[in-house]
Amino acid sequence: KAGVTQTPRYLIKTRGQQVTLSCSPISGHRSVSWYQQTPGQGLQFLFEYFSETQRNKGNFPGRFSGRQFSNSRSEMNVSTLELGDSALYLCASSRRSGGQLPGELFFGEGSRLTVL
Amino acid sequence: DQQVKQNSPSLSVQEGRISILNCDYTNSMFDYFLWYKKYPAEGPTFLISISSIKDKNEDGRFTVFLNKSAKHLSLHIVPSQPGDSAVYFCAASVGGGGADGLTFGKGTHLIIQP
Repeated sequence: KAGVTQTPRYLIKTRGQQVTLSCSPISGHRSVSWYQQTPGQGLQFLFEYFSETQRNKGNFPGRFSGRQFSNSRSEMNVSTLELGDSALYLCASSRRSGGQLPGELFFGEGSRLTVL
Repeated sequence: DQQVKQNSPSLSVQEGRISILNCDYTNSMFDYFLWYKKYPAEGPTFLISISSIKDKNEDGRFTVFLNKSAKHLSLHIVPSQPGDSAVYFCAASVGGGGADGLTFGKGTHLIIQP
């Protein structure tokens, strides 16, 4: 069974640019979450999508956005990049549907973004 | 304000001995807790979880203990093996249908010494 796939794995951008990251969940998983990992803050929740709808959003500015497609694939976008956006962005999928406990998240290897 | 705290950034344990990783939380609404393990250049992988209706959950060499009154949980690894060297994240959630994402601690780097 293929795992969660994230692309690109590494990318370098400059301040003010925008970036789009892609995530393909495990087949059959309809929930996709995004997390930001930085050395100082650990793993922080960005947002979760289920059936193309954003169900919850973490405490991040509006520059961070995302969407989910009908095949459950998800993208996240960061506009007007800042130096502090340099981080590992992790996508996770789960079987979870409404009304269930969070359960196990399956993480991808992440997209490492460097903002210069 | 950090709601999930792992106060030990690193922990060194001898192979074969017990590893105890600790986690404290402040949000009394949390009712589901998980531990994840992360190797360098890989995403975190799920290890074990516990619901607040329990105080212990075992899975092979891994046991998680929950003390709700102290808002504290711990992960015990017995016996510790070299492959256990990784960063361990404690995570918590408001379950029962809530759509909140997991709240993670900053992680503890466990080093198993031969």
